[in-house]
Amino acid sequence: AQSVTQLDSQVPVFEEAPVELRCNYSSSVSVYLFWYVQYPNQGLQLLLKYLSGSTLVKGINGFEAEFNKSQTSFHLRKPSVHISDTAEYFCAVSEATGYSTLTFGKGTMLLVSP
Amino acid sequence: GAVVSQHPSWVICKSGTSVKIECRSLDFQATTMFWYRQFPKQSLMLMATSNEGSKATYEQGVEKDKFLINHASLTLSTLTVTSAHPEDSSFYICSARQHEDRRNSPLHFGNGTRLTVT
Repeated sequence: AQSVTQLDSQVPVFEEAPVELRCNYSSSVSVYLFWYVQYPNQGLQLLLKYLSGSTLVKGINGFEAEFNKSQTSFHLRKPSVHISDTAEYFCAVSEATGYSTLTFGKGTMLLVSP
Repeated sequence: GAVVSQHPSWVICKSGTSVKIECRSLDFQATTMFWYRQFPKQSLMLMATSNEGSKATYEQGVEKDKFLINHASLTLSTLTVTSAHPEDSSFYICSARQHEDRRNSPLHFGNGTRLTVT
């Protein structure tokens, strides 16, 4: 079984500042890693995913994440945030060995203020 | 891109009544759909896996008689909350994988249904 830890429940940041949302995972098998964004009262939208290959993954809306196997981390970063980035961000993991579903972290609320 | 549509987006019902939530894959077929429940300020918890033409697989702790799932076709799964109670109030989200033959095909999510039971 896998688990995902998002240590920060809320991250306040000013517009145009950089941001990093932390995600750590645990698994006994190889995994795929995902970041999803959820705007208020909406479903989830895939930001980016790591399946294999380059450990630096670029996604939509200027976000990127880096897979660090030794630290079992998959932190999400953006060099300059906008007000519109205010949303909840979920890190998720699935087994790479089968057609498994996702295990989500508890989410991090990104609050961007002017 | 792949789209998963969920209806209704919000519903208010009285305690004791039943509510049906529909999940449709609009431009692809899905033999498997997933139903998640999200409590306020918490993560998504997988409730059940909906399988077309067969019974759903429920996660531990989820009452199958309360949360009825019917996957009638390759593009439609429904979740019926029977005899709803206020504690069933939550945000329900469905998802499906566009390419089910690819392990790394990501899940696409519906926009969710906000259920409030009064």
